[in-house]
Amino acid sequence: DTGVSQNPRHKITKRGQNVTFRCDPISEHNRLYWYRQTLGQGPEFLTYFQNEAQLEKSRLLSDRFSAERPKGSFSTLEIQRTEQGDSAMYLCASSRGTSSEQYFGPGTRLTVT
Amino acid sequence: ILNVEQSPQSLHVQEGDSTNFTCSFPSSNFYALHWYRWETAKSPEALFVMTLNGDEKKKGRISATLNTKEGYSYLYIKGSQPEDSATYLCAFKDTNAGKSTFGDGTTLTVKP
Repeated sequence: DTGVSQNPRHKITKRGQNVTFRCDPISEHNRLYWYRQTLGQGPEFLTYFQNEAQLEKSRLLSDRFSAERPKGSFSTLEIQRTEQGDSAMYLCASSRGTSSEQYFGPGTRLTVT
Repeated sequence: ILNVEQSPQSLHVQEGDSTNFTCSFPSSNFYALHWYRWETAKSPEALFVMTLNGDEKKKGRISATLNTKEGYSYLYIKGSQPEDSATYLCAFKDTNAGKSTFGDGTTLTVKP
């Protein structure tokens, strides 16, 4: 399967713990995006990379969130000191270029208790 | 903050009905408009990429139109089938943004 993969699919954590999610994009895609989605809303942009460079980060994103794409391939999203409000579906997507459609992974559902 | 709005929020139709939804976006600095279909428990799947004013795209029974001057796009489904039940998302890109701004989607339920 050459689609976008995300791990883990589900994560339950206690408030205050750190969590890290991984995204493996389609191999020839140079752009990688992270989104957060809550019930009844569309995906909300968090950050995106072109190759290994993080080009934009949402102003809504607190300093507890950080993302990396060290070799321009897979990416990780870390949330430090999780809060209940961080509970959401975290989606990763990749694309070939600016106007190309994005291919989404299945998401990681985070529940903070 | 860019405002991308979709209407209606939800729609219930009978099998065989034709339906359409609207995506409204800023009319300035347009770069691209994408439509996605998101079925429950699956990943969002791209339907159309629209870049030119007046674009019309078609895939089977689903088609879309684009008006960048007035800032809207319509998605049409002809002869809806139960398998068309999903949330339909539009995503707007402006000229300077690498990111996409998504609407909240229209959730379509087609009853047999």
